[in-house]
Amino acid sequence: AQSVTQLDSQVPVFEEAPVELRCNYSSSVSVYLFWYVQYPNQGLQLLLKYLSGSTLVKGINGFEAEFNKSQTSFHLRKPSVHISDTAEYFCAVSGPSGNTPLVFGKGTRLSVIA
Amino acid sequence: EAGVAQSPRYKIIEKRQSVAFWCNPISGHATLYWYQQILGQGPKLLIQFQNNGVVDDSQLPKDRFSAERLKGVDSTLKIQPAKLEDSAVYLCASSLRGLAGEIEFFGPGTRLTVL
Repeated sequence: AQSVTQLDSQVPVFEEAPVELRCNYSSSVSVYLFWYVQYPNQGLQLLLKYLSGSTLVKGINGFEAEFNKSQTSFHLRKPSVHISDTAEYFCAVSGPSGNTPLVFGKGTRLSVIA
Repeated sequence: EAGVAQSPRYKIIEKRQSVAFWCNPISGHATLYWYQQILGQGPKLLIQFQNNGVVDDSQLPKDRFSAERLKGVDSTLKIQPAKLEDSAVYLCASSLRGLAGEIEFFGPGTRLTVL
């Protein structure tokens, strides 16, 4: 069975500072990896996904993530955060084939401080 | 393109009452999911439909939860009777074919409070 661990439940960071949100997954087979963002009182929105190919994936709003197979990690990064990035961020995994839904981590609350 | 629609957005009921949530997925999406998101946790899959058939309902508490997608389009999730621990946000999502690696598009959710 697949599982996702988000190592930090809360990450406070000052505006314009860089941020990294950590995600590790557990799977015995190749998987697909996703980061979703959830703004207050809204549904989840896809930030980026890794299916195959380049291990550095660029997403919306200036976010990027790097897939590291040896460390089974898929950390999310942004070089300079804005107040509007304050939200809950979820790492998720699916795969490797067939009708497999997403398995989510518990989420990381990013709070950007002015 | 219209997104995934859900209603109601908020619902407050007392324990042992029943409640129903509605979801209309993105047009043309064959796969529909219902997730439960308890405060402080990530979404957890309750049930997955492919057209009007159930693909996975292994985590659905079938003694109190039921769901249907009769015409392969919109879906209803019901809880009867509700318990305090059912307080959560219920998210509906859809994807084109439900294949691994496909993007799931989420609705805004229904926040249920059971008193």
